[in-house]
Amino acid sequence: SQQGEEDPQALSIQEGENATMNCSYKTSINNLQWYRQNSGRGLVHLILIRSNEREKHSGRLRVTLDTSKKSSSLLITASRAADTASYFCATRTGNQFYFGTGTSLTVIP
Amino acid sequence: EAQVTQNPRYLITVTGKKLTVTCSQNMNHEYMSWYRQDPGLGLRQIYYSMNVEVTDKGDVPEGYKVSRKEKRNFPLILESPSPNQTSLYFCASSFDGNTIYFGEGSWLTVV
Repeated sequence: SQQGEEDPQALSIQEGENATMNCSYKTSINNLQWYRQNSGRGLVHLILIRSNEREKHSGRLRVTLDTSKKSSSLLITASRAADTASYFCATRTGNQFYFGTGTSLTVIP
Repeated sequence: EAQVTQNPRYLITVTGKKLTVTCSQNMNHEYMSWYRQDPGLGLRQIYYSMNVEVTDKGDVPEGYKVSRKEKRNFPLILESPSPNQTSLYFCASSFDGNTIYFGEGSWLTVV
């Protein structure tokens, strides 16, 4: 399987703290994306980073990509209770997408 | 409103009884795909379609069929459902093959 893996599987933090989750993947990629999923709902696209980029920002989100290590990290700064959700990385290889197993983030008010 | 609509949202069926989960998108996207989500396994791609009449297998296509006769519709067919196909299913579409828009999911239970 070419599925990625997120680490940690679960993360619990206090509101206002930063949350960092990591993603490792197995093959060469065109790009890497991060998605958010509220419990039992569809996934929502957060941010995309291309294979020739090393870092990207969007609001409170910061994504890094290290293609030599086949890994990426998502940092959510100044977390809010509303950030509670599962976060998935997804890689594109050719015309197929491979999702990781997700990190479940709980932000305690 | 731009959206991916899938039906039914919830279904309990019996082993062997053919069923179809419909999917429609109103964004004129060429790329559409189906995923299943299982605890501890994340999302796995079942089938995808680059355009009308063009479909390809994803990671877990066994036991499923798809068709793409129109650009907006991409139904998922389970010819003879089995209990191991109990899962949460997502249809998705994409304009550029990058940002993916997901439907709200279909909870399928096969008994």
